[in-house]
Amino acid sequence: DAGVIQSPRHEVTEMGQEVTLRCKPISGHDYLFWYRQTMMRGLELLIYFNNNVPIDDSGMPEDRFSAKMPNASFSTLKIQPSEPRDSAVYFCASSPPVGQGPTDTQYFGPGTRLTVL
Amino acid sequence: AQTVTQSQPEMSVQEAETVTLSCTYDTSESDYYLFWYKQPPSRQMILVIRQEAYKQQNATENRFSVNFQKAAKSFSLKISDSQLGDAAMYFCAYKNYNAGGTSYGKLTFGQGTILTVHP
Repeated sequence: DAGVIQSPRHEVTEMGQEVTLRCKPISGHDYLFWYRQTMMRGLELLIYFNNNVPIDDSGMPEDRFSAKMPNASFSTLKIQPSEPRDSAVYFCASSPPVGQGPTDTQYFGPGTRLTVL
Repeated sequence: AQTVTQSQPEMSVQEAETVTLSCTYDTSESDYYLFWYKQPPSRQMILVIRQEAYKQQNATENRFSVNFQKAAKSFSLKISDSQLGDAAMYFCAYKNYNAGGTSYGKLTFGQGTILTVHP
């Protein structure tokens, strides 16, 4: 089975530009998570979805960040406008439904390295 | 709030030797999960091993095993017969038990331990 797929793997943009990161969870998983990893703050949960519905977005740093999950196989994380302090590695992860597969285990994608100049 | 602490920023081991990475956590919950993830230079976060708090038996996955001490809130990872491919950053993580539905605790990570394997 394919794992979590993220695109792009690398993104370099200039301050003020809009950035869209994409994620395809593992088929059959109904939880989807977006994390950000920086040297200063480590791994932080930004938002997570269950059955395409946002459940907890308390980790989203500012209104410049937004996330959507229009269907079970696709999610986006958008930053508009981007700032240099948004430079980080952004991970998407998914988890199977309760009672199916290793409960509460999250499987991560390869990450997107974002650089905002 | 739960916290996870990895007190060893860096560790090193000789190839074929055994190394233990430490992790402690703080929680008031009785049911939870603990994980070790490996992050090699490729940045991919790879699940190494998983422990359910209600299970007294320590989890093992091939060369990887844990020492889970619930009362002490300690969860160490032992890597036996270390290989060059084990070199990576290792993260300990905690998650509350999922009661189902839309209630789902977040995964809390430690700061990570960089493991170097010497040939």
